[in-house]
Amino acid sequence: QVQLQESGPGLVKPSETLSLTCTVSGDSVSSGHYYWSWIRQPPGKEPEWIGDIYYSGNANYNPSLESRVSISIETSKNQFSLRLNFVTAADTAVYYCARQRWQYSSSLDYWGQGTLVTVSS
Amino acid sequence: DIQMTQSPSSLSASLGDSVTMTCRTSQNINSYLNWYQQHPGKAPKLLIYGATNLQSGVSSRFSGSESGTDFSLTISSLQPEDFATYFCQQISSPPITFGQGTRLEMK
Repeated sequence: QVQLQESGPGLVKPSETLSLTCTVSGDSVSSGHYYWSWIRQPPGKEPEWIGDIYYSGNANYNPSLESRVSISIETSKNQFSLRLNFVTAADTAVYYCARQRWQYSSSLDYWGQGTLVTVSS
Repeated sequence: DIQMTQSPSSLSASLGDSVTMTCRTSQNINSYLNWYQQHPGKAPKLLIYGATNLQSGVSSRFSGSESGTDFSLTISSLQPEDFATYFCQQISSPPITFGQGTRLEMK
C-alpha cells in the first residue's frame, strides 16, 4: 500500500522559510512512472498546485510561487522536500504531498494526510 | 493560465438522487481533466481521470463525461458518504489548476 507522510514545523514566522519533507512508503520515488507533487490548500479554498519533481531532479513550479519555491528529491531516503522562502500570512494552508501519474492525465492518485502550516509571529 | 469554472458552487440533494456538476475550461484541454472528492479535514481522493476514466476502487456510481470545454461529473443513487466537496483539475497546460469546488449537501 502506497503511503505518503508530510513532516515539518506547523508554525513559521513571517519572512522565514517553510520546509517540509514527504516520506514515501510502498513505492519508490525513483520510479520513472511518477512525478512527486506538492499541493497546498488555504482554509475554505480550492487546492493550489505548488510544483512537482521527477526522480532525475527535474522540477516544475507554479509561476505564482516560482521565485520563492524549491523542490528537491532524495532517492536514498525515498523522500522529497519543499522549501518556500519569505513566507507571509497568505502562505498559511494545509500542505499536501502527492504522487502524480504522468501517464494518466497527471492525476494525483495517492496523497499524504496533509499538514497545517501557520505563518505567524 | 487556463481558467476553470465549476458550477454550481453548492448543491443540495437527497439520498438516492442522481446529481451532476460541471467544470468549464477557458480553452481546449484535450481531456486532461480529473475529478476529486474531499471530505472535511481529509485529503482529496481521485475519482475520475482523463475526463471519463474511473479510478480503480471507486464506485461505479461515479461517472465523467465531456463535451468540448465542458466536463461533467455525475453521481447516481447518492449514498451518505457522497456528501462532500468535489474539485476538478486540469493538467493540459501548466500550471496545474483546480476548480473552485462544488459542495454537495444533504437536503
